[in-house]
Amino acid sequence: EEQLLESGGGLVQPGGSLRLSCGASGFIFKNFALSWVRQAPGKGLEWVSYITGSGGDTTYADSVKGRFIMSRDNSKSTLYLQMNTVRVEDTAVYYCAKKDNWGNWFGLWGQGTLVTVSS
Amino acid sequence: SYVLTQPPSVSVAPGQTAKMTCGGDSLGIKSVQWYQQKPGQAPVLVVYDDSDRPSGIPERFSGSNSRDTATLTISRVEAGDEADYYCQVWDGSRDHGVFGGGTKLTVL
Repeated sequence: EEQLLESGGGLVQPGGSLRLSCGASGFIFKNFALSWVRQAPGKGLEWVSYITGSGGDTTYADSVKGRFIMSRDNSKSTLYLQMNTVRVEDTAVYYCAKKDNWGNWFGLWGQGTLVTVSS
Repeated sequence: SYVLTQPPSVSVAPGQTAKMTCGGDSLGIKSVQWYQQKPGQAPVLVVYDDSDRPSGIPERFSGSNSRDTATLTISRVEAGDEADYYCQVWDGSRDHGVFGGGTKLTVL
């Protein structure tokens, strides 16, 4: 069974850093692009970042560009999101999502990890 | 950046048909996806590539896309369909994902 499992969320102060992880199983990890998608409390879904299967290319939403870094370790089937200089508005549940190879949809999502930015 | 617009809410009685729209500039030339999200749960893909259904999604869920509007239709609505529904496209010019603001479906 294909599965994604996020971890690393928690409470962080404004201006601080946090690293999220997303472990994958049940599929050939290196063959698939992935994204991070977040959801602030009571709000809608917001796409955050994207990484190719090889990890050679990444893109970011303007709201996090220059502060967040997405990476992957294909030998460990693990995806990462390094969150730097976090802001109160970064408070959200962060989901990792697997992008289908045949099109631009996310067919598999993790259960999410909550990041709270507060002093 | 590309923007998708969804009505905040739609209400429908059980057994009736629910239609939820998603608007965007020249949306008809893009591939549109729909996700269902129930409280406290991760989103679930219910329609992809405008009108295809993943395995396990009931035939009651269907999609269409033309000109500037995509539509998710749920036939014979059940209480269990009550959820938030999000449309999504991929902005290929920037390699960015784009989500609509979401529509809350209430089953009366």
